[in-house]
Amino acid sequence: GAVVSQHPSRVICKSGTSVKIECRSLDFQATTMFWYRQFPKQSLMLMATSNEGSKATYEQGVEKDKFLINHASLTLSTLTVTSAHPEDSSFYICSARLTRNQETQYFGPGTRLLVL
Amino acid sequence: QKEVEQNSGPLSVPEGAIASLNCTYSDRGSQSFFWYRQYSGKSPELIMFIYSNGDKEDGRFTAQLNKASQYVSLLIRDSQPSDSATYLCAVNSNSGYALNFGKGTSLLVTP
Repeated sequence: GAVVSQHPSRVICKSGTSVKIECRSLDFQATTMFWYRQFPKQSLMLMATSNEGSKATYEQGVEKDKFLINHASLTLSTLTVTSAHPEDSSFYICSARLTRNQETQYFGPGTRLLVL
Repeated sequence: QKEVEQNSGPLSVPEGAIASLNCTYSDRGSQSFFWYRQYSGKSPELIMFIYSNGDKEDGRFTAQLNKASQYVSLLIRDSQPSDSATYLCAVNSNSGYALNFGKGTSLLVTP
């Protein structure tokens, strides 16, 4: 149990386009999901906390108008990178909070974004 | 600022030896402690979690927690080359659900 999927696994896009990444909890309901970004050889950086049915909470320095988060159901959260630029190229990873297991977070496999 | 500190390594151990990974945290109110493993180019995968002082064993892995010293460790017995990865320590405090991650320790198990 506690499987989290992400789609797509890899995306290449042109500068200025928008990219949507989906995060799904496959076998449990997740009222809270998290979005992280990781640059090569660096640590995970929390971008935002996504709560089902309410607005996401963004970390300091993360532009909410650029990284749109929607958590419309208990099993799906989406991150849209709007008007992507080369500096947005990174590894985007979501996680879902499993409340029945003492607040444990399970990670999706990640989405590698390359903006040309 | 709630800090989670790990030695970046690399920590190199021979195959079959015990690997000891350490983590300290600054928030004394922290309640839950997690160890994740991350292979290069992949997302983190949960190894184990611990909430109470003492040791918790799961197969070749043992997590140790000492809240008084604000210290959590992970021991890997009979290390295998497949254990070579970055190990992330994560801490959850009372103030919300987000985890604070350390920067990770790189472990290299040599044949």
